[in-house]
Amino acid sequence: GQQVMQIPQYQHVQEGEDFTTYCNSSTTLSNIQWYKQRPGGHPVFLIQLVKSGEVKKQKRLTFQFGEAKKNSSLHITATQTTDVGTYFCALGGDDMRFGAGTRLTVKP
Amino acid sequence: GAVVSQHPSWVICKSGTSVKIECRSLDFQATTMFWYRQFPKQSLMLMATSNEGSKATYEQGVEKDKFLINHASLTLSTLTVTSAHPEDSSFYICSARGGGQLNTEAFFGQGTRLTVV
Repeated sequence: GQQVMQIPQYQHVQEGEDFTTYCNSSTTLSNIQWYKQRPGGHPVFLIQLVKSGEVKKQKRLTFQFGEAKKNSSLHITATQTTDVGTYFCALGGDDMRFGAGTRLTVKP
Repeated sequence: GAVVSQHPSWVICKSGTSVKIECRSLDFQATTMFWYRQFPKQSLMLMATSNEGSKATYEQGVEKDKFLINHASLTLSTLTVTSAHPEDSSFYICSARGGGQLNTEAFFGQGTRLTVV
């Protein structure tokens, strides 16, 4: 089945700095989803992107889907300590496979 | 939002015994359920996908005779780890997806931490 590569694996930032995680696929994706998993918790759905070149915003979070629908990114502006967790991209098809995840830590 | 309940949240069992984990959708009908295994600080590895009333589709490398999945109703799926061994110790988590407007995101259970001694 389709797979997605996600980078970076870890990101440590100072509070107030920006953060970006990227997902890439060798094949065209029908859609891509993003989830956040807090330490000790379970993944929680953030958003789904479907259209080529789509950009969606949720407060300080900006999600993009590439024109070729082979890559996606999640950008957080001015990180806060509450943003700590692991961010996963996932294929939202019949078999939901997850990227490796990017673990974000934020230093106050 | 929709709620998925997974039980038990943790279990310790002896090597060679079997353990059953339940995943229930409490307020929606889950047409599809997914079972994952997650090692510490790693990603969720899809084990199998199950649709109500049909056999589960297992990922390559996952032993279907060892990890028995049953999706008998639209609100319940179970994962049974048979003849568990210490290497089966892990965090197992289920997710469920419904139909209609709920056919987008997957709702996750709280996960089950299995320790085999």
